[in-house]
Amino acid sequence: NAGVTQTPKFRVLKTGQSMTLLCAQDMNHEYMYWYRQDPGMGLRLIHYSVGEGTTAKGEVPDGYNVSRLKKQNFLLGLESAAPSQTSVYFCASRQPGQGASQYTFGSGTRLTVV
Amino acid sequence: AQTVTQSQPEMSVQEAETVTLSCTYDTSESNYYLFWYKQPPSRQMILVIRQEAYKQQNATENRFSVNFQKAAKSFSLKISDSQLGDTAMYFCAFMKPLGQGGSEKLVFGKGTKLTVNP
Repeated sequence: NAGVTQTPKFRVLKTGQSMTLLCAQDMNHEYMYWYRQDPGMGLRLIHYSVGEGTTAKGEVPDGYNVSRLKKQNFLLGLESAAPSQTSVYFCASRQPGQGASQYTFGSGTRLTVV
Repeated sequence: AQTVTQSQPEMSVQEAETVTLSCTYDTSESNYYLFWYKQPPSRQMILVIRQEAYKQQNATENRFSVNFQKAAKSFSLKISDSQLGDTAMYFCAFMKPLGQGGSEKLVFGKGTKLTVNP
């Protein structure tokens, strides 16, 4: 089925370790987003991309890096994980200028940093 | 910057009854979109309903309807004939459309946890 696929779905990291979360979409969407969800905080935008080769900072970008080398993939990297990065991470994509058409969200990645 | 406020962290309702979730937002824009998303325990984000700010008519989707008060910057969600499957987190979200520098980013409220009791 078409949609947004996030890999992995769960991960436990030790403080200081690095990892990359992968987001892949097969809808040829231009825009892709990474959000984090914390209890009582809703979803907050980390980074986003408006096209292949472009990235921009969102609301909470510190401690994260991203890359969009291919249109269908948007990678979120943690170079040195911290307990404060324990969260559920959501990727989303959409095609710009479609009015109020909805985002397509992935099913999330639960990351725990110990 | 836009902000979205959901003042009810938790709510509960009896099955078959009606419940209203509140949302207010702050923006200086005249054209924008508002959404309600549902997040069940599966974590999937599901779009419930959307409203374009330039439309005066309130959006309706089956048992879900909104009360959009543009001047008051209020966007409440009414769920009629509540069902057990409506139990979930509900998020109100705001989006500026393309062309206004927003890159169509969603700004979310903190959510309301709704429990439907049998």
